[in-house]
Amino acid sequence: GAVVSQHPSWVICKSGTSVKIECRSLDFQATTMFWYRQFPKQSLMLMATSNEGSKATYEQGVEKDKFLINHASLTLSTLTVTSAHPEDSSFYICSARDPGQGALGYTFGSGTRLTVV
Amino acid sequence: DAKTTQPTSMDCAEGRAANLPCNHSTISGNEYVYWYRQIHSQGPQYIIHGLKNNETNEMASLIITEDRKSSTLILPHATLRDTAVYYCIVRVSGGSEKLVFGKGTKLTVNP
Repeated sequence: GAVVSQHPSWVICKSGTSVKIECRSLDFQATTMFWYRQFPKQSLMLMATSNEGSKATYEQGVEKDKFLINHASLTLSTLTVTSAHPEDSSFYICSARDPGQGALGYTFGSGTRLTVV
Repeated sequence: DAKTTQPTSMDCAEGRAANLPCNHSTISGNEYVYWYRQIHSQGPQYIIHGLKNNETNEMASLIITEDRKSSTLILPHATLRDTAVYYCIVRVSGGSEKLVFGKGTKLTVNP
């Protein structure tokens, strides 16, 4: 089946620095990828939809200048948390849709645990 | 977007069937019902999906009512590894392809 690889699985960074998270579709081409954030004991919250070759679509309340999304190829989307602060500490999860599988085909990465100290 | 409501938590004995309900009373005719689960600190895992007919795969069965306003996910023989948060999601229509997660049901399988 479709596989989505997310890297790194965890990262600790200092406050004020930037962190890049990668999301790759390994065996299919994904024109659309999604980025979610999950705080402890809460559900996944959609942050943005990443479209290959065009600008990402951000959900209401998500700062586009803080969470930079780049989807430069059909197999890679990146999320950069800029000037990270402790409140950005969270579990970030990407998802990619395989258009060849119709209604099926939303595959999730294993997530990235970001801790800002 | 159609919304779903699920019980916050459920318990099930190991080896017994786990029946997880979901209400989606405002679902549109072309919207599918998806079920995913998330084991602690992992990405969500697809379980099953359906439109109007009951579905079964190696993981679970999905029973959708005739009016499509509710559904039930059935894990026929729950194991300890099935302890997870289960999300019932209705695929957003209108051209948007995003999956929007509700709060889900925390299923605890007890020995």
